[in-house]
Amino acid sequence: KNEVEQSPQNLTAQEGEFITINCSYSVGISALHWLQQHPGGGIVSLFMLSSGKKKHGRLIATINIQEKHSSLHITASHPRDSAVYICAVCGSRLTFGEGTQLTVNP
Amino acid sequence: EPEVTQTPSHQVTQMGQEVILRCVPISNHLYFYWYRQILGQKVEFLVSFYNNEISEKSEIFDDQFSVERPDGSNFTLKIRSTKLEDSAMYFCASSLGDYSTYEQYFGPGTRLTVT
Repeated sequence: KNEVEQSPQNLTAQEGEFITINCSYSVGISALHWLQQHPGGGIVSLFMLSSGKKKHGRLIATINIQEKHSSLHITASHPRDSAVYICAVCGSRLTFGEGTQLTVNP
Repeated sequence: EPEVTQTPSHQVTQMGQEVILRCVPISNHLYFYWYRQILGQKVEFLVSFYNNEISEKSEIFDDQFSVERPDGSNFTLKIRSTKLEDSAMYFCASSLGDYSTYEQYFGPGTRLTVT
């Protein structure tokens, strides 16, 4: 079993839809990162959080340390949001999930 | 905005050859990392580096791998004798503090192809 599980693996949405990507982990962590990987391969950090909720523009990330679960929400999704979204947890090292491939159609 | 740079963007090498992947982290960052991503797979941690020494390394980072910060600006990953299974995208990252407290900034990656 992977230490970090993301769901869904693939997600297709229509422009404007509300998107939720989930991340569950089995190890004790101090923080969690949400990353975005563009089709060209580049990786961008979206959030780092250790408790509660963070918001940046149309993106919202939440974490529940007790339940070992985090979610990434995208409001009013747009085709430019199409990318792979990766959850990575901070244990003794950074451990990555498999990623969620998001496609937003116009 | 400052960014992490990596060279080359693509390296093709023959099995058994040595390769050096280069990274220039953001100038005031103190923590440096190498990750790899085999095509179609998840990103994997290789090594973290702080205060001129390795602070953590994964099982992947065996004796064939080494890292160096030779001149205060570059951060290099050397693979001594490449194998076919070393073919992957290698990402360098840097952060102001350790990864549990600070965001990481990733370079664009070097695609290594071992033939």
